[in-house]
Amino acid sequence: QQQVKQSPQSLIVQKGGISIINCAYENTAFDYFPWYQQFPGKGPALLIAIRPDVSEKKEGRFTISFNKSAKQFSLHIMDSQPGDSATYFCAASKGGSYIPTFGRGTSLIVHP
Amino acid sequence: DGGITQSPKYLFRKEGQNVTLSCEQNLNHDAMYWYRQDPGQGLRLIYYSQIVNDFQKGDIAEGYSVSREKKESFPLTVTSAQKNPTAFYLCASSPSGTSGRAEQFFGPGTRLTVL
Repeated sequence: QQQVKQSPQSLIVQKGGISIINCAYENTAFDYFPWYQQFPGKGPALLIAIRPDVSEKKEGRFTISFNKSAKQFSLHIMDSQPGDSATYFCAASKGGSYIPTFGRGTSLIVHP
Repeated sequence: DGGITQSPKYLFRKEGQNVTLSCEQNLNHDAMYWYRQDPGQGLRLIYYSQIVNDFQKGDIAEGYSVSREKKESFPLTVTSAQKNPTAFYLCASSPSGTSGRAEQFFGPGTRLTVL
């Protein structure tokens, strides 16, 4: 059973556009929602994370929007750049567990 | 520099051979993890360890084994029992004391190809 569903699987955006990746979770005990960015041939790295006590977190061009009632959270990349081309993973974890649950990833391509 | 190192970057193995992937961290993290990454499958957990001399199976542990004799090291052995071992393997670590709400730090990965 996939506890974190991520969509779309792939995304193509023009330079300067907005990239939006969505994730939905089922376990209401989740209370930490990070996003990871992975470049080809590299390991993922934390991009931005949010806790459910806030509805939005912004870091530069990257914003997480969180909807607790809908059990959904999304990553918005404003002014997308070719250097943002990577695979993005959402994840969710809960207190007492050291094991995050990852989405299946979104491959983002930003065309110049 | 603090971080996680994995070696080798590329590894080729003949069918029927066991192979060990190295993972070392100098972040002083208690928890360490091994993931397998296949196209379209995301990150699947193989094994994890919260403290030295203790480890637990993840979702796809069959055909793999690990040890955790030192805090800094968490090697993964891919045995001949693993039916489809060709994949990209990622090691990660995270600090303890945050009850799971912690960033995972990933190594650069090892790409294993079975010939």
